[in-house]
This record gives sequence, C-alpha cells and structure tokens, in this order.
Amino acid sequence: GNSVTQMEGPVTLSEEAFLTINCTYTATGYPSLFWYVQYPGEGLQLLLKATKADDKGSNKGFEATYRKETTSFHLEKGSVQVSDSAVYFCALASTGNQFYFGTGTSLTVIP
Amino acid sequence: EAGVTQSPTHLIKTRGQQATLRCSPISGHTSVYWYQQALGLGLQFLLWYDEGEERNRGNFPPRFSGRQFPNYSSELNVNALELEDSALYLCASSLERGTTDTQYFGPGTRLTVL
Repeated sequence: GNSVTQMEGPVTLSEEAFLTINCTYTATGYPSLFWYVQYPGEGLQLLLKATKADDKGSNKGFEATYRKETTSFHLEKGSVQVSDSAVYFCALASTGNQFYFGTGTSLTVIP
Repeated sequence: EAGVTQSPTHLIKTRGQQATLRCSPISGHTSVYWYQQALGLGLQFLLWYDEGEERNRGNFPPRFSGRQFPNYSSELNVNALELEDSALYLCASSLERGTTDTQYFGPGTRLTVL
C-alpha cells in the first residue's frame, strides 16, 4: 500500500542553520509528492510539490527533489529563519486522488 | 477571495450520537476533500468529492459518509460516534481534480466524543 514516513520531531535549530527534514514514501505507480506547512494559528498550506522523478520543487528558499531510486522527498533549506517555525507535512497523491500524509515534523527556530 | 470555511469550529457529542460537519470550498473549486487528524497520526484521507459525486474514500468504516451539494459545499456525517472519532477534521478544496493540484485547507472542526 501507499504510505509516507517522515522524520520525527520536534526539531530545534538556531537561525541561519541548515535544515533537512527527511521524508520517504511507499507507493505503487508514480505518485505526486508534496510538502505542506502549518504556521502557528494557521491552516495547512502548500509549500512545494514535484510531480515526477527528478523534479525539484522549491519555494521560499525550501527545496525538495523527487528521488525515485531512494523513494525520498527530503525537505531542505540552507538558512532557516525564526519565521520558518511551523509544522511540516510530507504527502503523496496516488491515483484516484487518494492523499497520504506523514505525521508532521515540528520545527522551532531560535534567534 | 475567501478561503475554505468550516463549521462548527468545535463540536462536542456523546458516544452513539451523530455528528455533521460542514465545509464551503473556495469559490470556483469543484473538488472537496475530507481528512481526519487524530493526535499523533497525521492526516488520514477520508473522502473526495468532485462535481457532486463521491470519487474516492479512504480506509474508514461506512458510518463516515458525506455529500457534496450543487454549490460544491460539502457535509461530512459521522454516525454512531465512538470515542476514537475524537479528532480535528479538515476540509480542503482544489480547482481541478488532478493529483498535482494544490489543495487549500480550512481551519478544521474539532470533534470531541465523550
């Protein structure tokens, strides 16, 4: 079956540190992959996405590359800011628009 | 442009009762998705509606059901409530029905079953 496994949190980093949040998936076929973010007090919103192998999604300095060979979609940012503090969710969409989300990784960035 | 709205914000029911949750998508969006977010479990896909039809459902029992109205708003009904149904229920809408389309999430309805 389909599933998403993402890095357990919480993660605490100092401002300007490098961020990696690991995400691996199990899927049949060729799913689309997403990172959603939930800022404090707000709803989930799309951060970035990739629809096929080797695609790189990017937004707000965050990047993730769709790696079919390692079934991964790790989220990275070179220099985090306090405003990046949020919960990050990795997700995949399989055929039939069935979406699978990870459990979320809480990130706190301290000045 | 108004975002996805959900009502009520909070709902408290007792075991065995029925709960009805409502969702209004962004204007022009025809697809509506429902998710359950229980503590520690991430988001679990419940249902997908598009153009008034149920298109897919996740691994949930039949007492979870819903519908989509001609104006594309949607209702989620949970019958015979159980304690483990306590969760945040999120609704999302998208403009198209493709798997690559961005979903826009509402703030959720917190259901508590006592």
